Amino acid sequence: EDQVTQSPEALRLQEGESSSLNCSYTVSGLRGLFWYRQDPGKGPEFLFTLYSAGEEKEKERLKATLTKKESFLHITAPKPEDSATYLCAVQDYGGSQGNLIFGKGTKLSVKP
Amino acid sequence: KAGVTQTPRYLIKTRGQQVTLSCSPISGHRSVSWYQQTPGQGLQFLFEYFSETQRNKGNFPGRFSGRQFSNSRSEMNVSTLELGDSALYLCASSLGGQDTQYFGPGTRLTVL
Repeated sequence: EDQVTQSPEALRLQEGESSSLNCSYTVSGLRGLFWYRQDPGKGPEFLFTLYSAGEEKEKERLKATLTKKESFLHITAPKPEDSATYLCAVQDYGGSQGNLIFGKGTKLSVKP
Repeated sequence: KAGVTQTPRYLIKTRGQQVTLSCSPISGHRSVSWYQQTPGQGLQFLFEYFSETQRNKGNFPGRFSGRQFSNSRSEMNVSTLELGDSALYLCASSLGGQDTQYFGPGTRLTVL
């Protein structure tokens, strides 16, 4: 059964204090791994898609990496506006189309 | 390009009633997926439609149903509402279902 586990559940950082969020996954065949950011009361906002081990993508202070078992979202010198819940999701080749399996998310708080 | 839109944004219903939620995908996107988000379970897949056909369904009771129209707009219906149906219902669109999904702002349903 496909599974996605995110850690930590919550992370509190000082502004400028870099860190990483982890997403471990179990799928029979990975079609894609997706990172989203979600602010309270809003829908998830797309950040990155990763397709194969070794792939990396960057956007401003965020960098996503992928291995065969996990993905990391690195946050460099975060700012208070980076505070949000970060969601990881996978899509399985063997699974049905349109179906993303989500982790429970990491709630990030960045204090000034 | 306009994003995914969902209406209404907020709904309050009582147990036993039924409700219909609407989703308009990004122009050109033919796949629409629906998810339920609760604090305890996180994001869970409900169903996916492509070209007016349901291609995939999650593990939800038959009270949850949906449809898609020829313009790719989609509706989901929940009949005989229960207290546990209170959640944020999210719609996501993609070109074909196997690629990146973009989410709408969600409909917050409260069942009293």
